Amino acid sequence: QSALTQPPSASGSPGQSVTISCTGTSSDVGGYNYVSWYQQNPGKAPKVIIYEVTKRPSGVPNRFSGSKSGNTASLTVSGLQVEDEADYYCASYAGSNNVVFGGGTKLTVL
Amino acid sequence: QLQLQESGPGLVRPSEPLSLTCTVSGGSISSGGYYWGWIRQPPGKGLEWIGSIYYNGKTYYSPSPKSRVTISVDTSKNQFSLEVSSVTAADTAVYYCARSSTLLGHFDYWGQGTLVTVSS
Repeated sequence: QSALTQPPSASGSPGQSVTISCTGTSSDVGGYNYVSWYQQNPGKAPKVIIYEVTKRPSGVPNRFSGSKSGNTASLTVSGLQVEDEADYYCASYAGSNNVVFGGGTKLTVL
Repeated sequence: QLQLQESGPGLVRPSEPLSLTCTVSGGSISSGGYYWGWIRQPPGKGLEWIGSIYYNGKTYYSPSPKSRVTISVDTSKNQFSLEVSSVTAADTAVYYCARSSTLLGHFDYWGQGTLVTVSS
């Protein structure tokens, strides 16, 4: 069982927006602004798309955005594109030199 | 461009140790400022952070499976390694090595991953 809770699946049509949640506790997501999001395509290594809750690495489209409220972090993908179909994982610092991941969400673009 | 590459046996027998090495190119581990970590992903499942090491050898481990895990670094070879002792089928996974700029932060460079199967 993963430390952070994500919905197993999410979906949307091209052009729409979809939000994926990542629920933890005050000991991880709620306690630190060190939440990151990763995109993983089949057979590939994860790629960071959001770090420190809201920051985007260079080269990541601004269609991807992150936020946090209390113990829940969220990833929003605006203007969905077919190539956004992938698995998405959240991660958070959890104190005591520990990092925890979510169970992952499979995003389907209908 | 920084590159990481995992290497090691793809099949390990139960109760034996699992050993993997990550070779870093395009950058030097000994230059400092970064943490070098191991993350695994059982088939069809989510990601699990195993632990990380700093260039000076300081290690940080996940609470599970902390007691069976050892991470080490060889700056002369620009490599860091993972050993998991007494493996079981539950240790079957794709193992990734990756870099993070802080222990608290995100992993910005990843290896391609290597599948390790535990089976007799």
